Amino acid sequence: DVKVTQSSRYLVKRTGEKVFLECVQDMDHENMFWYRQDPGLGLRLIYFSYDVKMKEKGDIPEGYSVSREKKERFSLILESASTNQTSMYLCASSLRGQNYEQYFGPGTRLTVT
Amino acid sequence: GQSLEQPSEVTAVEGAIVQINCTYQTSGFYGLSWYQQHDGGAPTFLSYNALDGLEETGRFSSFLSRSDSYGYLLLQELQMKDSASYFCAVKGQAGTALIFGKGTTLSVSS
Repeated sequence: DVKVTQSSRYLVKRTGEKVFLECVQDMDHENMFWYRQDPGLGLRLIYFSYDVKMKEKGDIPEGYSVSREKKERFSLILESASTNQTSMYLCASSLRGQNYEQYFGPGTRLTVT
Repeated sequence: GQSLEQPSEVTAVEGAIVQINCTYQTSGFYGLSWYQQHDGGAPTFLSYNALDGLEETGRFSSFLSRSDSYGYLLLQELQMKDSASYFCAVKGQAGTALIFGKGTTLSVSS
């Protein structure tokens, strides 16, 4: 079974802090994705990556950056956390050419105070 | 622009059949996916339609009409455990990521 893990289930940070969210997948997937999920807005794509050291902006990249130094790991970075970044963050992965079938991690509920 | 429309809420009783519709407007189209997400859980992949027609997987079926830019997820013999949110998602162009709808919350009562 594909397993996608995220570093924290719940996280509380202060405004202005730098925040790192880590995601690891164990199925050698080429594609990895970061989404945020807010009530009534569905899943919105922040960034995705098709390969190591490669990244593409999604629909809402402002205020975020990403890093993919190894194939299995995709990190989301909030350079200076703000209260409007309080949300559920979901990581996902998929095989190359099959991003219609994504495997999601359990999510990190981030609260910025 | 690109958009997907699906109802925000659907209610049904155990044993019934429910259909969740999804209409899309995207630049380019490769296929339509469906995901299920239980409250507090992660989305899980249910199905993918690249061609017109009905795909059946147990109690769940998914349909696509490319000419109508429309698809639906059909859930039969509803069970309480089917209470969840259901998202349609479009693969628009080669090399691009999925575009998700805002989700439909299905409530199944006894």
